[in-house]
Amino acid sequence: DSGVTQTPKHLITATGQRVTLRCSPRSGDLSVYWYQQSLDQGLQFLIQYYNGEERAKGNILERFSAQQFPDLHSELNLSSLELGDSALYFCASSVGGRLTDTQYFGPGTRLTVL
Amino acid sequence: KNQVEQSPQSLIILEGKNCTLQCNYTVSPFSNLRWYKQDTGRGPVSLTIMTFSENTKSNGRYTATLDADTKQSSLHITASQLSDSASYICVVSARSQGNLIFGKGTKLSVKP
Repeated sequence: DSGVTQTPKHLITATGQRVTLRCSPRSGDLSVYWYQQSLDQGLQFLIQYYNGEERAKGNILERFSAQQFPDLHSELNLSSLELGDSALYFCASSVGGRLTDTQYFGPGTRLTVL
Repeated sequence: KNQVEQSPQSLIILEGKNCTLQCNYTVSPFSNLRWYKQDTGRGPVSLTIMTFSENTKSNGRYTATLDADTKQSSLHITASQLSDSASYICVVSARSQGNLIFGKGTKLSVKP
């Protein structure tokens, strides 16, 4: 158990809908990262927040947005969902915001778009 | 274009044997390289992380090497166990870009 929690574990929704995924980092960690893992693309880095502010951006679509709240939990919002958005979404956390910091991954949220 | 290529795509070995997984990258400017182990349906777990100046790092039976000149890394697993069956993912960070580039992983199966 990494200490990172994600909810929900599974989510099934329809195309065009909007969903919110939630992540609570390990106690004491200030950075949160979001990743998407689909069968054909592998893991892709989406975005990083450090202490409430956006720190780095990867291949995140404009339909997706994220934020980190004062209590350091984070939410990833996915809107206008398409079939291709079906994937495992992982959240990770680290103590600091440096690229060399070890990241601890949560168990993931499996999103299915029908 | 920043890319990370891993080989082989999949590998089957017998319990107790050693194996080596490869990672080649074209990421620039290089910041660091990590190896993760990912069990099916679970989040990745960090095995090693190496910066430009490090060329070997061990974590138990896992030893990673880095050659920054040829932009190659390898992960050597010694005396494999059934629990080593997983995907092994190589990830390279680009300095000052704040981006992480993932390889597609090598799926390792250890058979009794």
